Amino acid sequence: KNQVEQSPQSLIILEGKNCTLQCNYTVSPFSNLRWYKQDTGRGPVSLTIMTFSENTKSNGRYTATLDADTKQSSLHITASQLSDSASYICVVLSGGSYIPTFGRGTSLIVHP
Amino acid sequence: DTAVSQTPKYLVTQMGNDKSIKCEQNLGHDTMYWYKQDSKKFLKIMFSYNNKELIINETVPNRFSPKSPDKAHLNLHINSLELGDSAVYFCASSRRQLLTDTQYFGPGTRLTVL
Repeated sequence: KNQVEQSPQSLIILEGKNCTLQCNYTVSPFSNLRWYKQDTGRGPVSLTIMTFSENTKSNGRYTATLDADTKQSSLHITASQLSDSASYICVVLSGGSYIPTFGRGTSLIVHP
Repeated sequence: DTAVSQTPKYLVTQMGNDKSIKCEQNLGHDTMYWYKQDSKKFLKIMFSYNNKELIINETVPNRFSPKSPDKAHLNLHINSLELGDSAVYFCASSRRQLLTDTQYFGPGTRLTVL
């Protein structure tokens, strides 16, 4: 069964600090992996997309990594800001189908 | 200016009623989707339409019927609402099909069934 597990479930950090969110998946065959940011009461917004051959991709202060061998991804947030407070969702798409598997998300709270 | 819009934003109704949620996108995208986000925050795809044609139907009960009158609209009609239908429903669109294109999500419709 295709699954996406994210950790930690929630995280509280101080403004200006860095943090790393983890995503492990069992989706096979693999097509791509996306990280989304979902603010409270809003729809998810795409941060990065990574294919099998990509190890790292950055979008401003967000850097995603992918290890396709161990089926792990991480999202690193640098110099956190209050506006980074949100849920971060990892989504893996299996190759050959159009069905995405979503993780439950990591709830990040950034305190001043 | 809104890319993907949904109405209503909130919907409270009694069990057994029939309700509809509307979705419109002004991005000129070919593909539209409906997702359900349950109380545990898991998002799950329900339907996908490409150029008004159904391409994904993820074992959703027959009480849910999507309707795409044109490429820019994908409405969701739900018959005989049940308590378990309470969730946030998101509409999304992408330029082409899901594999490589970024999806743009609407703001969501919070459905509460009493």
